[in-house]
Amino acid sequence: AQKVTQAQTEISVVEKEDVTLDCVYETRDTTYYLFWYKQPPSGELVFLIRRNSFDEQNEISGRYSWNFQKSTSSFNFTITASQVVDSAVYFCALSEAMTTDSWGKLQFGAGTQVVVTP
Amino acid sequence: EAGVVQSPRYKIIEKKQPVAFWCNPISGHNTLYWYRQNLGQGPELLIRYENEEAVDDSQLPKDRFSAERLKGVDSTLKIQPAELGDSAVYLCASSFRNTIYFGEGSWLTVV
Repeated sequence: AQKVTQAQTEISVVEKEDVTLDCVYETRDTTYYLFWYKQPPSGELVFLIRRNSFDEQNEISGRYSWNFQKSTSSFNFTITASQVVDSAVYFCALSEAMTTDSWGKLQFGAGTQVVVTP
Repeated sequence: EAGVVQSPRYKIIEKKQPVAFWCNPISGHNTLYWYRQNLGQGPELLIRYENEEAVDDSQLPKDRFSAERLKGVDSTLKIQPAELGDSAVYLCASSFRNTIYFGEGSWLTVV
């Protein structure tokens, strides 16, 4: 069975500080995908990043970066120089890809509330 | 490009009453999902469609929940009768090749 654990329930930072969100996952699949979503107070889940299990290259996209380590089953996410607009709940999720055109269910973690104060 | 559209955004009903939610996925997206998100938790899958076919409904409480996706486009999720524990956000999502996109959700309160 798939499982995603986000041990941090809430992180509070002052604007411009960096924020790192932890995510640990469990799966028996050899091919899988990992996601980070942001959920602002409006409720919509906003897609941020996706990585597949074969690509452990860590990248930076704007103020976002991620650290995927298959050996420790971790997929951590960092927001650099945080802003007030980054305040939201962040979800890590895991999915198997059924085919190239079809995705299985997303298994979400419980989420981490990020609070950025001015 | 329009995103996933859901309605209503908010609904308050008394227990034992029926309720229905509607979802219009992103054009061309063959896969459609309904998720339920309880307060303080991550979303959980209720049902997944590939075109008109429900390919994963293992977590749908079939005694009171039903869903349909006619013509492989729009979808409706119905609860009848609603219980207090059904209070949650019901999220619709769709995907095609790229990734999974979510709507803003329908917030249900059962009193």
